[in-house]
Amino acid sequence: DAGITQSPRHKVTETGTPVTLRCHQTENHRYMYWYRQDPGHGLRLIHYSYGVKDTDKGEVSDGYSVSRSKTEDFLLTLESATSSQTSVYFCAISDLPRGGNTEAFFGQGTRLTVV
Amino acid sequence: AQSVTQPDIHITVSEGASLELRCNYSYGATPYLFWYVQSPGQGLQLLLKYFSGDTLVQGIKGFEAEFKRSQSSFNLRKPSVHWSDAAEYFCAVGFKAAGNKLTFGGGTRVLVKP
Repeated sequence: DAGITQSPRHKVTETGTPVTLRCHQTENHRYMYWYRQDPGHGLRLIHYSYGVKDTDKGEVSDGYSVSRSKTEDFLLTLESATSSQTSVYFCAISDLPRGGNTEAFFGQGTRLTVV
Repeated sequence: AQSVTQPDIHITVSEGASLELRCNYSYGATPYLFWYVQSPGQGLQLLLKYFSGDTLVQGIKGFEAEFKRSQSSFNLRKPSVHWSDAAEYFCAVGFKAAGNKLTFGGGTRVLVKP
């Protein structure tokens, strides 16, 4: 299995509080992603990173921010959590080696409940 | 708009019967294509992938998928289903030029009857 660790695995928080989810990888992959999974929507991209301090928005980025200060860590922050952000969050990593192709590898997920 | 469609939300199949899950995409170019499987409470595991070449690809757990450019489809098949195949299956597309970001279909949940 790819070395991806998400923390925490479960969290319950109150509306309006800040929340930070962490993704840590040991594969030295360049690309890291945060997705959220909701019934009927599959997984949707929140933000992604293509290198240290290089990030960009995905499909559903409103209300989320990210940071990547080291290759191995990608943080997702909900500045002020809302009930609509109750979801399962997945981190993924991938690399694009010269002349090669690769797939994305996923972490085990973080179940976040905002009450 | 670019999209991935999995028309079947739920499929129930008897153990030992064949299974086919449909996936259609709407993109201007041929993307990379993937099928992932998710067991309850687990992350996503890659079943198979298509980048180029032979349009019939073999994956793990006895699954295969066929890319049909003319139909913009990438359907997943298994000749004989086992009870352990009960899970949710996701089709996804990506582009190398776009940093391998993935767009997922809504998923198909497979139930296996004994």
